[in-house]
Amino acid sequence: EDQVTQSPEALRLQEGESSSLNCSYTVSGLRGLFWYRQDPGKGPEFLFTLYSAGEEKEKERLKATLTKKESFLHITAPKPEDSATYLCAVRPGGSQGNLIFGKGTKLSVKP
Amino acid sequence: SAVISQKPSRDICQRGTSLTIQCQVDSQVTMMFWYRQQPGQSLTLIATANQGSEATYESGFVIDKFPISRPNLTFSTLTVSNMSPEDSSIYLCSSGGITVRNEQFFGPGTRLTVL
Repeated sequence: EDQVTQSPEALRLQEGESSSLNCSYTVSGLRGLFWYRQDPGKGPEFLFTLYSAGEEKEKERLKATLTKKESFLHITAPKPEDSATYLCAVRPGGSQGNLIFGKGTKLSVKP
Repeated sequence: SAVISQKPSRDICQRGTSLTIQCQVDSQVTMMFWYRQQPGQSLTLIATANQGSEATYESGFVIDKFPISRPNLTFSTLTVSNMSPEDSSIYLCSSGGITVRNEQFFGPGTRLTVL
């Protein structure tokens, strides 16, 4: 069964304190791993798609990496505006393009 | 990237009634998806809507409860029928590109409360 597990469930950081969020997955034929940011009351905002092990992508203070079993979202020197829930999702092989989501990591960055 | 809008943004409905949610994409897309996000939970796929064919429903979701229309490549509707308080949730529309490899974008969601 295709499955996505994110850890930790919640993470509290001080401004400037770098850390990583984990997304482990089991999927038949990965056709993309997706990271989204979701603010309260809003839809998920697309951040990255990774397609193959070893791939890395960066956007401002965020960097996503991918291995055959997991993905990490590294946050460097976070700011309070980075506070949000970060969702990881996979697109299984044989799907019509739909995604399977993890439960997310709620990040709080204190000034 | 695709820009997706949804109507209504929120609604409070009575038990037993139905609500139709509209989703509009600013460009043509092959696939449109409807997800549900229950309070404190992550997203669960309800169905995949292809233009010109019937929607494909995930396990636990049926057409009589969640009928979907997809009249063209930029628009879809989801109806939540005969609502109960358990249907209170955020309903999200999402689009896929011309190829399955493309990124998937989400609308702002419709927050539904059933009394």
